[in-house]
This record gives sequence, C-alpha cells and structure tokens, in this order.
Amino acid sequence: DTAVSQTPKYLVTQMGNDKSIKCEQNLGHDTMYWYKQDSKKFLKIMFSYNNKELIINETVPNRFSPKSPDKAHLNLHINSLELGDSAVYFCASSLQTGNTEAFFGQGTRLTVV
Amino acid sequence: AQTVTQSQPEMSVQEAETVTLSCTYDTSESDYYLFWYKQPPSRQMILVIRQEAYKQQNATENRFSVNFQKAAKSFSLKISDSQLGDAAMYFCAYPHNNDMRFGAGTRLTVKP
Repeated sequence: DTAVSQTPKYLVTQMGNDKSIKCEQNLGHDTMYWYKQDSKKFLKIMFSYNNKELIINETVPNRFSPKSPDKAHLNLHINSLELGDSAVYFCASSLQTGNTEAFFGQGTRLTVV
Repeated sequence: AQTVTQSQPEMSVQEAETVTLSCTYDTSESDYYLFWYKQPPSRQMILVIRQEAYKQQNATENRFSVNFQKAAKSFSLKISDSQLGDAAMYFCAYPHNNDMRFGAGTRLTVKP
C-alpha cells in the first residue's frame, strides 16, 4: 500500500545505455517531482509536474526526459548514460505546489559503470 | 542563491540526551510552511515535523519540536531523549515557487 512507489530500487548499467525509472503515487496528488541526490547527499530538484504539465525544468541535460502519462505517474527516461549520472533519484508528490509537504518514494540508486 | 542553510554538516549526541539542529532560510513571503525530513540509512525520506509560518506556536511531534523564529528566519529542530534510531541525515526544507528546496543536511550520530 505504498503511497509513492518507484522502480527499480537499484539500477546498474553501462555508459551509453538508455534507462527508465518509473514512479507512481496513489495519494491523489496533483504535483510530482524528480530529485537527484548526489554523493554528498545534496538534494536537487530536476523536474516538477502539476496535473501532467511540466512546470519546472531545472538545468538538467536534455538526455533526461520526464514523461507524465497521467497525474499519478511520472517516469524518468535517461539517454546515453554517463558516469556522472550515478546518484540516487527520488520521485516525490505533493497535494499542490508551493505549500505542502512532499511524500517521497524509496529512491533509485543508479550506478553507471 | 541557496534558500535553505544548514550550518552543521555533522552533529553527535549521547543516547537519552537532547540535540538541536540548526536551519536558516531566506524568503520574502509572509505565509509559508517549513519542514524537517529524516533520511536514515535505508535512504527513505521521512517527514519529521512541519511548521506553518502564521502560527506562533512551535510545532511538536512527540520527542521532536521546533524553535521557529520568523523574524530571524530560523527553524531549528530539537530532538529530546535521543534514541539510536534517530541516527540519520536530517534535512530542513522550504517550499519555494513550485518545488521543495532542501538544505545540505546534517548527519546526526547517536552514541550509546
């Protein structure tokens, strides 16, 4: 009965490959996010979607492409993976943007070798 | 510019003692929320406590409480009767525009 679930939990892949991380929330929230947590634990927003519409696209290489088929899902596709993409990626959702807490998935540890 | 600042990269506390984690933030808004999240080694991000800026009363959740100083833009977390399970990274967070902005985190160690 997980509120925000993302798969897979771990992903090990070679440089140059294309991979996807899936995220689903069953909380009925309007807003979903992707965050990247680097090796120093710093959390940085990558994308924010509200009702399937992109509202934030931080300075992220265009190899990263989010897709929101409906407001309960926000998937992250990454093309041509690079070593520097190795990190933990978190999906999160909130009732609305700007003033409510975010609920997080369990994170996906991506390792590019 | 960084919106949320946590000045203590690491903190240590003896089991059963009290520890305070600091956080300052920058905003021009008058009504907003502030949050503390805990990230244990399992890496799950867990909401610890929230504070609504228009409420003067400091939020409390069991052993966790905040000291919210709106004029100083300060939002510290106090953990009382620390337990081994409190060992984790703690992040202060502030909703900014259309996302949640996080501080750099404080790693809390609890000594038995």
